[in-house]
Amino acid sequence: GAGVSQSPSNKVTEKGKDVELRCDPISGHTALYWYRQSLGQGLEFLIYFQGNSAPDKSGLPSDRFSAERTGGSVSTLTIQRTQQEDSAVYLCASSLTINNEQFFGPGTRLTVL
Amino acid sequence: KQEVTQIPAALSVPEGENLVLNCSFTDSAIYNLQWFRQDPGKGLTSLLLIQSSQREQTSGRLNASLDKSSGRSTLYIAASQPGDSATYLCAVRLAGGGNKLTFGTGTQLKVEL
Repeated sequence: GAGVSQSPSNKVTEKGKDVELRCDPISGHTALYWYRQSLGQGLEFLIYFQGNSAPDKSGLPSDRFSAERTGGSVSTLTIQRTQQEDSAVYLCASSLTINNEQFFGPGTRLTVL
Repeated sequence: KQEVTQIPAALSVPEGENLVLNCSFTDSAIYNLQWFRQDPGKGLTSLLLIQSSQREQTSGRLNASLDKSSGRSTLYIAASQPGDSATYLCAVRLAGGGNKLTFGTGTQLKVEL
């Protein structure tokens, strides 16, 4: 079946603009995760959603970052007033439940000029 | 805070060699450990997942071991091929910490003809 998909694959924006990144998890997966991969920091956890529970936002680096998951499926990661240090690859993953293996999407490469 | 380290950072071997990649973690209270490969410009592909109660997992030419008490895991690749060239990442999930993964720094592997 289809894997995790993310859009856009690449995004170039100007400093100060808002961006939205989208993730479509594997159908039927109840858990969804966002990670960020940057040159200086490696791969870092940002946020995860599990069913109807409150999301774990402990990895979000600042209040400019937020995420939603509508209808228990698609998720959007929003970065407001982007900064150059936000440039990174944003990876989304999903798992059948919180106790199962995570499957990753191809990522969105964000470049903030 | 869990820290995950991978040694070596980069490795170049001739085709056909057997090789070992190392992963160490500071907090032994893990739920599971997962090995991934990442090809340039792409997302992560899950290779093996080892539960905390397990000592090893095997898939084809890959064998991963886990020594939780010493905070170590190894990924053994037998009869390496040029197609194995990629970055290999290990990631741990803490027990009781939700399913967020803490990733290692990665080993960049090149298998030469």
